[in-house]
Amino acid sequence: GQQLNQSPQSMFIQEGEDVSMNCTSSSIFNTWLWYKQDPGEGPVLLIALYKAGELTSNGRLTAQFGTTRKDSFLNISASIPSDVGIYFCAGQLRNFGAGKSTFGDGTTLTVKP
Amino acid sequence: EPEVTQTPSHQVTQMGQEVILRCVPISNHLYFYWYRQILGQKVEFLVSFYNNEISEKSEIFDDQFSVERPDGSNFTLKIRSTKLEDSAMYFCASSETGGRGHTIYFGEGSWLTVV
Repeated sequence: GQQLNQSPQSMFIQEGEDVSMNCTSSSIFNTWLWYKQDPGEGPVLLIALYKAGELTSNGRLTAQFGTTRKDSFLNISASIPSDVGIYFCAGQLRNFGAGKSTFGDGTTLTVKP
Repeated sequence: EPEVTQTPSHQVTQMGQEVILRCVPISNHLYFYWYRQILGQKVEFLVSFYNNEISEKSEIFDDQFSVERPDGSNFTLKIRSTKLEDSAMYFCASSETGGRGHTIYFGEGSWLTVV
């Protein structure tokens, strides 16, 4: 099956620093999704990307859909303590209809005040 | 804000027993999903459901799994004969549409422990 390689696996940063994480795949996806999961809760969708090259922001978060359609990155600017959690990327082959999402292994973010 | 609700929050079951996990998706949503997450691992897609039928499923979703929308509000996942490796958090999710700009809302999960 399709595999997503997400890096880094974990990050320890100081409050106020910027964060960057990325996902790569050996195969093409038509949709890239970024989720955040807090302990004991379900993932929450942060940003959805539907077109190669697309750059989308959601507050302090910015994500891009790579031009090769095989990668995506997520940046968080000026991190705050509530950014702590696990961030997952997910890819979908379809950008319409309910489709199968393949998730990355996650990046665990720790923010030190 | 509307939310996806799941019951039970935690269930312990004997290996070989049948388990039904229940979900109430957001009321105007048309697409429903089940995902699972083994402790410490990534989220894995199981199945998507639309218009009263399965639209896509993963290789994990074998014959021991089934889904049903028995009435207008509930969406269930049945595991017929549980195995130890079925122990995981099971997330139900729903979305209003399947098209661009849809947001998939996840429930808080049902933690299944098979002993």
